[in-house]
Amino acid sequence: NAGVTQTPKFRVLKTGQSMTLLCAQDMNHEYMYWYRQDPGMGLRLIHYSVGEGTTAKGEVPDGYNVSRLKKQNFLLGLESAAPSQTSVYFCASSPRTGLGNQPQHFGDGTRLSIL
Amino acid sequence: RKEVEQDPGPFNVPEGATVAFNCTYSNSASQSFFWYRQDCRKEPKLLMSVYSSGNEDGRFTAQLNRASQYISLLIRDSKLSDSATYLCVVILTGGGNKLTFGTGTQLKVEL
Repeated sequence: NAGVTQTPKFRVLKTGQSMTLLCAQDMNHEYMYWYRQDPGMGLRLIHYSVGEGTTAKGEVPDGYNVSRLKKQNFLLGLESAAPSQTSVYFCASSPRTGLGNQPQHFGDGTRLSIL
Repeated sequence: RKEVEQDPGPFNVPEGATVAFNCTYSNSASQSFFWYRQDCRKEPKLLMSVYSSGNEDGRFTAQLNRASQYISLLIRDSKLSDSATYLCVVILTGGGNKLTFGTGTQLKVEL
């Protein structure tokens, strides 16, 4: 089972360049999330989606855009990369919440460096 | 004040020891609680959910104290393979199943 797959695994960018991180899940989950993890900060939510065609801002959305055109894919875009966006990015997904909240399943991360 | 606070550690314990981590959360409206485990340079993985009545999974026991707004994780008979960072996670009200993470407590189990 693939679960949650992130591409690429690593990337180095120059300041001002743009790129898109791809997250794909094969578990038919409704909800998908993008986090960043920085030393001493823990994981922080960037954007999330509760269904195909819908997205919402998380805790640290500035400088990022997202799209959920297909249920299984959630894209994170950096329009003009800045050194402050150097981080490890994790994608996650979960089923729609029903009787209780659901734990999230994570991809194995994308390490992004902005020079 | 952070919404979820944990002692960053590291906790260095000998193999076979019992170790406990605490976590406090600031929002009394928090609905659900989890412990995740994260190995160095890896993704977080769910260790266990935390239920109001407390719950146990093998060597791991989780407790929730809503009145004092803290969560605990007890690991008995520590193994070398338990070395990792343990993340306390809460879900607030408001929909979207959004997780709020603590910064994690690092555990190192030594021979």
